[in-house]
Amino acid sequence: GAGVSQSPSNKVTEKGKDVELRCDPISGHTALYWYRQSLGQGLEFLIYFQGNSAPDKSGLPSDRFSAERTGGSVSTLTIQRTQQEDSAVYLCASSLVTSGSTDTQYFGPGTRLTVL
Amino acid sequence: AQSVAQPEDQVNVAEGNPLTVKCTYSVSGNPYLFWYVQYPNRGLQFLLKYITGDNLVKGSYGFEAEFNKSQTSFHLKKPSALVSDSALYFCAVSPGKSSASKIIFGSGTRLSIRP
Repeated sequence: GAGVSQSPSNKVTEKGKDVELRCDPISGHTALYWYRQSLGQGLEFLIYFQGNSAPDKSGLPSDRFSAERTGGSVSTLTIQRTQQEDSAVYLCASSLVTSGSTDTQYFGPGTRLTVL
Repeated sequence: AQSVAQPEDQVNVAEGNPLTVKCTYSVSGNPYLFWYVQYPNRGLQFLLKYITGDNLVKGSYGFEAEFNKSQTSFHLKKPSALVSDSALYFCAVSPGKSSASKIIFGSGTRLSIRP
């Protein structure tokens, strides 16, 4: 079946502009994550959605970042008034939650964001 | 607080030698443990996981990992390294039954295999 997809694959924007990044998780996966990765470094957790529960936003670096997940499926990560330090690869992952624990995550290919 | 530690930023091994990439964790309950690999310019790929049962887990590309509850470790191992194993490796843990069951990733270890 289809994996996790993300769009766009690349986004170049000017400082101060808003951007929207999209994630389509694997059908039926109730958990969805957003991460940020800079230049082959570690994964920085941003936000976590699980079913109908309130999202865990503890990783969002500032109030310029927000995310929503409509209908328990597609998710959009929005960055307002982009800054150069926002440049990174934004990764989305989805997984099932079995027996109360999150199972294997499947990652999308990522969106490479460049803020000029 | 729940956490995952990968104490080595980089591991260098000669081809054909055994390799170990270390991971320790601190979570409540009975965790699910994972290893992921990221090859250059590619996305993260699942390698293996431990949920329950045999403490030695075998995964893709000849890798295996041993769950040690007393030492709260889940080290990744391979008996004979290949140059193509060179990549960035991430350990991850999902806490046991909990309403906050999100996965926590380690900081990553860069594995470099020299010919």
